[in-house]
Amino acid sequence: DAKTTQPTSMDCAEGRAANLPCNHSTISGNEYVYWYRQIHSQGPQYIIHGLKNNETNEMASLIITEDRKSSTLILPHATLRDTAVYYCIVRPAGGTSYGKLTFGQGTILTVHP
Amino acid sequence: DARVTQTPRHKVTEMGQEVTMRCQPILGHNTVFWYRQTMMQGLELLAYFRNRAPLDDSGMPKDRFSAEMPDATLATLKIQPSEPRDSAVYFCASGPGQGFEKLFFGSGTQLSVL
Repeated sequence: DAKTTQPTSMDCAEGRAANLPCNHSTISGNEYVYWYRQIHSQGPQYIIHGLKNNETNEMASLIITEDRKSSTLILPHATLRDTAVYYCIVRPAGGTSYGKLTFGQGTILTVHP
Repeated sequence: DARVTQTPRHKVTEMGQEVTMRCQPILGHNTVFWYRQTMMQGLELLAYFRNRAPLDDSGMPKDRFSAEMPDATLATLKIQPSEPRDSAVYFCASGPGQGFEKLFFGSGTQLSVL
């Protein structure tokens, strides 16, 4: 699976957009970008995933660059409850992985009042 | 909402004792994953199953850890004998098993081995 690089930590003011970058310069053509987050003392939670088109759901938006070497997770109006560790994960679709995820260190996002 | 259920939530035991952690995956999900989380190593994949058959347990110390799925509604992770270095939070996750989907994680079992 392709390796990802994320900033160790980021801050964001409540109500503002939080933009979390992820670099995955070695991504392959069949690999998807997934984002999960882990709020303190809870299990990881799925946020969004995409292949090459931008994606949006009720939680966030995912912007993937045209060359697919990097992406940005956008939380449009961050709240204090969005304070968590955010993981960017790249993995191939299908095959024998059956959803297997390899987690890195992630980005600690702190949302301030 | 459907959820992955893990028991116990907390376990304190002494070195050398057997520890059994249980996981009830979401009904209908046919892939189950066991992860371990520590401050030093982060989230590590220990083992995973599809249709109750183990696909990969290379992340697990073979001499003391074992993972099984006695039936589709129960996954177990056993440590025997337990050691202080096994202290961690153990997460179970399940998914539909089609390769594209999201995984659903339980709340974890926090294990402390004294």
